Amino acid sequence: GAGVSQSPRYKVAKRGQDVALRCDPISGHVSLFWYQQALGQGPEFLTYFQNEAQLDKSGLPSDRFFAERPEGSVSTLKIQRTQQEDSAVYLCASSRATGLAGGVRGDTQYFGPGTRLTVL
Amino acid sequence: QQQVKQSPQSLIVQKGGISIINCAYENTAFDYFPWYQQFPGKGPALLIAIRPDVSEKKEGRFTISFNKSAKQFSLHIMDSQPGDSATYFCAASGATNKLIFGTGTLLAVQP
Repeated sequence: GAGVSQSPRYKVAKRGQDVALRCDPISGHVSLFWYQQALGQGPEFLTYFQNEAQLDKSGLPSDRFFAERPEGSVSTLKIQRTQQEDSAVYLCASSRATGLAGGVRGDTQYFGPGTRLTVL
Repeated sequence: QQQVKQSPQSLIVQKGGISIINCAYENTAFDYFPWYQQFPGKGPALLIAIRPDVSEKKEGRFTISFNKSAKQFSLHIMDSQPGDSATYFCAASGATNKLIFGTGTLLAVQP
């Protein structure tokens, strides 16, 4: 497709359930980011992949959050034992290059539409 | 030191007027400052971006002004239109390209 896609667009989970959110980045994009956006707030960084390598997971709020990108394209964000405070929109973004190791600083990040997670 | 502070929280402008949104940062390692536009139910979309080696960048009706010494930057929307009504986020990034976003400004342009 032409842009970043995410699925599902909406997810309702009961507290304690596990959820998996999928991101399909733009083809060929090296970098993939996950952000969490609470209602009325700006997106907050969760984690970053360069190809299949997870280089920064400093924003993951707890060990219940896990992300992977095994083949360097599609990524999945998994949340175990969901809690009400996990309710938010989860945004995925991809960019063509990496900022690390002499790469491109400030390369444009293209965002998907997000997955709205509601934990009851 | 990672924060980006944004104001105002909301803004109402008449059609044809100028919308101005301000941001300030602390981390001097930031070297890329984009503005994103977000419509309800959509992901943020890049509007315009600037690097600290220039003080101003203009693209159509959108202008970023950058003051490196004050660690502040602002977005000016000239001739604001009802279609510009959206939430605007400033952001900043450094070496890893992860974006640190402001809290957003809800802009309403009245016809």
